Amino acid sequence: AQSVTQPDIHITVSEGASLELRCNYSYGATPYLFWYVQSPGQGLQLLLKYFSGDTLVQGIKGFEAEFKRSQSSFNLRKPSVHWSDAAEYFCAVGAPSSRFGNEKLTFGTGTRLTIIP
Amino acid sequence: NAGVTQTPKFRVLKTGQSMTLLCAQDMNHEYMYWYRQDPGMGLRLIHYSVGEGTTAKGEVPDGYNVSRLKKQNFLLGLESAAPSQTSVYFCASSYGTSRYEQYFGPGTRLTVT
Repeated sequence: AQSVTQPDIHITVSEGASLELRCNYSYGATPYLFWYVQSPGQGLQLLLKYFSGDTLVQGIKGFEAEFKRSQSSFNLRKPSVHWSDAAEYFCAVGAPSSRFGNEKLTFGTGTRLTIIP
Repeated sequence: NAGVTQTPKFRVLKTGQSMTLLCAQDMNHEYMYWYRQDPGMGLRLIHYSVGEGTTAKGEVPDGYNVSRLKKQNFLLGLESAAPSQTSVYFCASSYGTSRYEQYFGPGTRLTVT
């Protein structure tokens, strides 16, 4: 079974600074990888996804993530954060399967991002 | 196009009471999911459905039941609520050609006293 680790529970970044949120996964092959964002009181919104191909993927809101197979990581980055980026971020992994019914996502425990002026 | 909606947004129950949470989606998605979110534990899958009339257990199904009588609706029931079921519940849906990409509702905050 797959698992996801987000080692940072809470990160504080100054507005305009760069950001990197860490995500490590455990899975026997190449999984499908996702980053979701949850603003306060809201549901989760998909930021970006990786299925195959180019290991650097671009998402919405200026975010990108890089899949590194050797490190089993899928870290989320943004070159310059905005106050509106304050939210909770979840990494998720899905195990590729051709069998319907196995398309479940396993979520990490989340990283809360605080932006200071 | 409202996406995924959940009813109610908030609810307080006494131990032993029952209730049903409703999830509706207007995107014609085949797959629907119920998660619970607890502090420090991320999202955990309760039950899911791969189509109308079908349901399956997820990671934490005990104490919950579900039904998917119509494609657009996915109901989550608590027959006898317990304080351990105090949580925020999220519904999500996805479509067959990209079934891993899940669209989430705004959540229901449930407190069991």
